[in-house]
Amino acid sequence: AQSVTQPDIHITVSEGASLELRCNYSYGATPYLFWYVQSPGQGLQLLLKYFSGDTLVQGIKGFEAEFKRSQSSFNLRKPSVHWSDAAEYFCAVALWSSASKIIFGSGTRLSIRP
Amino acid sequence: DAGVTQSPTHLIKTRGQQVTLRCSPISGHKSVSWYQQVLGQGPQFIFQYYEKEERGRGNFPDRFSARQFPNYSSELNVNALLLGDSALYLCASSSVLLRPPNEQYFGPGTRLTVT
Repeated sequence: AQSVTQPDIHITVSEGASLELRCNYSYGATPYLFWYVQSPGQGLQLLLKYFSGDTLVQGIKGFEAEFKRSQSSFNLRKPSVHWSDAAEYFCAVALWSSASKIIFGSGTRLSIRP
Repeated sequence: DAGVTQSPTHLIKTRGQQVTLRCSPISGHKSVSWYQQVLGQGPQFIFQYYEKEERGRGNFPDRFSARQFPNYSSELNVNALLLGDSALYLCASSSVLLRPPNEQYFGPGTRLTVT
């Protein structure tokens, strides 16, 4: 069965420090991968997506992610975090048959230390 | 342009009642999907509608139903509410149904509390 695993429930980093959020997926075919961010009380905002091609994808707000097929991973990175990056981050894989269904991981909550 | 809008913002119901949640997609978008997000978890897919037809359904009981109207807005209905139905219900719209999947734009959600 298709699944997405985010092994870190909660991460705290200092403002200005680098960030890496881990994501592993289980999917037999070519995955369509996403990272979403959710601020408290808000809906989900797409940070970036990978469909094919260059395995390093750039997103909004200075985020990037690298697709590694051999490790079934799609980790999210940012070189220097800002206090406004504190939020819940979700990795997701999209399945497509007759519908476009997104399978989300359980999320990683990011806190920023001043 | 307005994004995806959902109403109401918050809702409190008692067990056994029925609830209807509403979603208006981004103008020009023909696909609407519904997701349930229980506190502390990622969203789970409930339904996708495209051109007023159900195109996909997640692993949810028949108490959950939905429909899409000619103007592409959508309603999610939940009957015989259970305490476990308490969640944030998210609506997402996309322009068309394509492979690879188009980006889905999410609304702010409706917070349903069942007491």
